Amino acid sequence: QSVLTQPPSASGTPGQRVTISCSGSSSNIGSNPVNWYQQFPGTAPKLLIYSNNQRPSGVPDRFSGSKSGTSASLAISGLQSEAEADYYCAAWDDSLNGYVFGTGTKVTVL
Amino acid sequence: EVQLVESGGGLVQPGGSLRLSCAASGFTFSSYWMSWVRQAPGKGLEWVANIKQDGSEKYYVDSVKGRFTISRDNAKNSLYLQMNSLRVEDTAVYYCARGGLAIGSDWGQGTLVTVSS
Repeated sequence: QSVLTQPPSASGTPGQRVTISCSGSSSNIGSNPVNWYQQFPGTAPKLLIYSNNQRPSGVPDRFSGSKSGTSASLAISGLQSEAEADYYCAAWDDSLNGYVFGTGTKVTVL
Repeated sequence: EVQLVESGGGLVQPGGSLRLSCAASGFTFSSYWMSWVRQAPGKGLEWVANIKQDGSEKYYVDSVKGRFTISRDNAKNSLYLQMNSLRVEDTAVYYCARGGLAIGSDWGQGTLVTVSS
């Protein structure tokens, strides 16, 4: 059972902005940086955002991350069909001494 | 180019054992924490274990403590996961990934472990 809660799904039309929330606690998001991953069916996850709001080289600036207190968010602007995938937040949890993933959000482009 | 290649997955009966391996290349393996992450069919990602550069620190998710052991051989640039007393609920794709307290951009392609009678 994940300690980071995400909405199971999110959707938008092409060009719209979609936001995915990730709710945690003081022992994880509240005290450690958040990473976001994108995963397509049958493939390994890809790092999308690290340290709350940093994009690895090659990740379009349509993807952005933020963190406030014990919650984090991933925003996808200018939604494109290629963004249809599963998205996971993650952070180290100081109480569990483990790396915890969010429950995952499936993004659909209508 | 960083490469992580898992092997050792397969079909095993409940209560059985399996040893997964991950061959690393393209970076200084001994300088990085390493992790195992799994994903059950149709489910989300679950971190399993990680290990410090010199093997002196190891952490596990509660559900595998006492059954799984993570280890590494820096001379062979290899990461391992010894899985004992396997349960049906351990069925998943197991990924090797670079990083410990935060997993970054380098993941293997995964190896499927199926626990079934």
